[in-house]
Amino acid sequence: DIQMTQSPSSLSASVGDRVTISCRASQSISIHLSWYQQKPGKAPKRLIYSASSLQSGVPSRFSGSGSATDFTLTISNLQPEDFATYYCLQSFDTPPTFGQGTKVEIE
Amino acid sequence: EVQLVESGGGLVQPGGSLRLSCAASGFTFSSYWMHWVRQVPGKGLVWVSVSNSDGSTSSYADSVKGRFTVSRDNARNTLYLQMNSLRGDDTAVYYCVRGGVSRPNWFDPWGQGTLVTVSS
Repeated sequence: DIQMTQSPSSLSASVGDRVTISCRASQSISIHLSWYQQKPGKAPKRLIYSASSLQSGVPSRFSGSGSATDFTLTISNLQPEDFATYYCLQSFDTPPTFGQGTKVEIE
Repeated sequence: EVQLVESGGGLVQPGGSLRLSCAASGFTFSSYWMHWVRQVPGKGLVWVSVSNSDGSTSSYADSVKGRFTVSRDNARNTLYLQMNSLRGDDTAVYYCVRGGVSRPNWFDPWGQGTLVTVSS
């Protein structure tokens, strides 16, 4: 199975900050990487697909980059509604595998 | 609007069985691969199973292989997960997730989830 290592596991930030979350794959996955946001008690919501494509309806302060094994989710100008847990997902191979999550908390 | 609504969760004893359902609407269900993903409360997301569009092909995580079976009724726009020989570590919220048409591993959108608790 492809292992997805996400970092950090948690971070504290303030409204207006720029936040970066990393995800590293144990082998090349091309650009088959997506990012999800999950709020407590809710289902995950896709933000980014194919490493850098913004999901329709998602604010442009969210962006994704990377290819092969190293990927990044960036949230610029962090907003109150962005405090949540974020997961990466590789869809290159079966089984699809998730990162362990990054909890973004209010500083 | 695409909607996925899971049902069938609840409390079951170890060794017992449960069948989850996922009612789909707002899209041509019979054209899409469909997944089940689970999440232990407070923990991360784990893929469970996938079914192709006509139900002829399926795949499972090693942790559930031989115990869980995914199926679908395209006439009823419904995906199922039959869970047998349930164990405590199967306790989780189970999500139904739409895959792609030509790309199975396309996870969007997600249902709201249904909680399965395995306990005596």
